[in-house]
Amino acid sequence: QQQVKQSPQSLIVQKGGISIINCAYENTAFDYFPWYQQFPGKGPALLIAIRPDVSEKKEGRFTISFNKSAKQFSLHIMDSQPGDSATYFCAASPDNYGQNFVFGPGTRLSVLP
Amino acid sequence: EPEVTQTPSHQVTQMGQEVILRCVPISNHLYFYWYRQILGQKVEFLVSFYNNEISEKSEIFDDQFSVERPDGSNFTLKIRSTKLEDSAMYFCAARGGLNYGYTFGSGTRLTVV
Repeated sequence: QQQVKQSPQSLIVQKGGISIINCAYENTAFDYFPWYQQFPGKGPALLIAIRPDVSEKKEGRFTISFNKSAKQFSLHIMDSQPGDSATYFCAASPDNYGQNFVFGPGTRLSVLP
Repeated sequence: EPEVTQTPSHQVTQMGQEVILRCVPISNHLYFYWYRQILGQKVEFLVSFYNNEISEKSEIFDDQFSVERPDGSNFTLKIRSTKLEDSAMYFCAARGGLNYGYTFGSGTRLTVV
């Protein structure tokens, strides 16, 4: 119940295309869902996050869609660029200051020029 | 943006030796974390630390691991007797309130030979 599932494992997208990464969770106590971007040799960096009181959140080219009843959420990267090539991790936690995050296994995104 | 600083960036140690990984978290944050990422795999929670004591730890965080914040600034992870399977990237993180995700450090790559 602590798992967060993530798919696909890897994704190749042409420049200008839409990248879509999906995550699913089981634990209904989770109510904070961030996405992290990680470049090789670097720590994960917070990209965007959502709480279940909204179904969608957009920041620039990045959008999170959230389906509370299905316990699923997804990251959409519009107009994907080669600089977006990285590993993306979804995560979940109870919305409590001290709670640790459970991370998905990651999606390696490659955006072709 | 405030940073979480980790040292060293890379450490090589012989099996059975003790290592100490250091982190200087964001000064006004109260919760601190250590995570581990084995090469190519997901980010795994090790331990959270609040008010000078461990608030939560995972199964990975066995008796070989310890954390402390001796001077109110540096936050350290000690591995008493390293094993080959401890080879991984170790990330320190701090959290700045309910509206924020973690801020991760850039990590320490530990190689046990």
